[in-house]
Amino acid sequence: NAGVTQTPKFQVLKTGQSMTLQCAQDMNHNSMYWYRQDPGMGLRLIYYSASEGTTDKGEVPNGYNVSRLNKREFSLRLESAAPSQTSVYFCASSEALLGVYGYTFGSGTRLTVV
Amino acid sequence: QKEVEQNSGPLSVPEGAIASLNCTYSDRGSQSFFWYRQYSGKSPELIMFIYSNGDKEDGRFTAQLNKASQYVSLLIRDSQPSDSATYLCAVKGRGANSKLTFGKGITLSVRP
Repeated sequence: NAGVTQTPKFQVLKTGQSMTLQCAQDMNHNSMYWYRQDPGMGLRLIYYSASEGTTDKGEVPNGYNVSRLNKREFSLRLESAAPSQTSVYFCASSEALLGVYGYTFGSGTRLTVV
Repeated sequence: QKEVEQNSGPLSVPEGAIASLNCTYSDRGSQSFFWYRQYSGKSPELIMFIYSNGDKEDGRFTAQLNKASQYVSLLIRDSQPSDSATYLCAVKGRGANSKLTFGKGITLSVRP
């Protein structure tokens, strides 16, 4: 099925460990996004990539890095995980930043940092 | 700071009733407006989008936009228990480089 695929679905990290969240879309979309969702905070944009080869900071970029590997793939890296990064992470994509038809979301990664 | 407010909630309605979900936004130049539904433990799913003032209907769902009042709403007619979810309002500002700003969501419970 066409869509946005995220891996892993669940992850537990110890404080200070690093990990990379993977995201791939097969809809030929140009723009991709990483959000985190916390209770009472809604969806907050971490980083986005308007097109292949470009990345930009969103609302809450501290502690994260991203790589737009190619048009399909956009990864999010936590270099030194902290308990404050415990959250549900969603990757999303759209045909362009204009996002005429909104964003399509992946199924999410539930991350716990202990 | 662009803001999207969804202040009313949680909302509980009986089965068959009309559920009215409201959203206000601060950026007067906002161009596009979206409603997402998110079931517990799942990802947001787009259910409606609207660009022009007035109403847009899709099945049991009606989106209403009033740009002068900076207000967008979602009406769900003949509410069903399967409509129980959190509904997120999202707004896209002016300019091609603007991203979606999401409200915190309203949780709807439809009582059988």
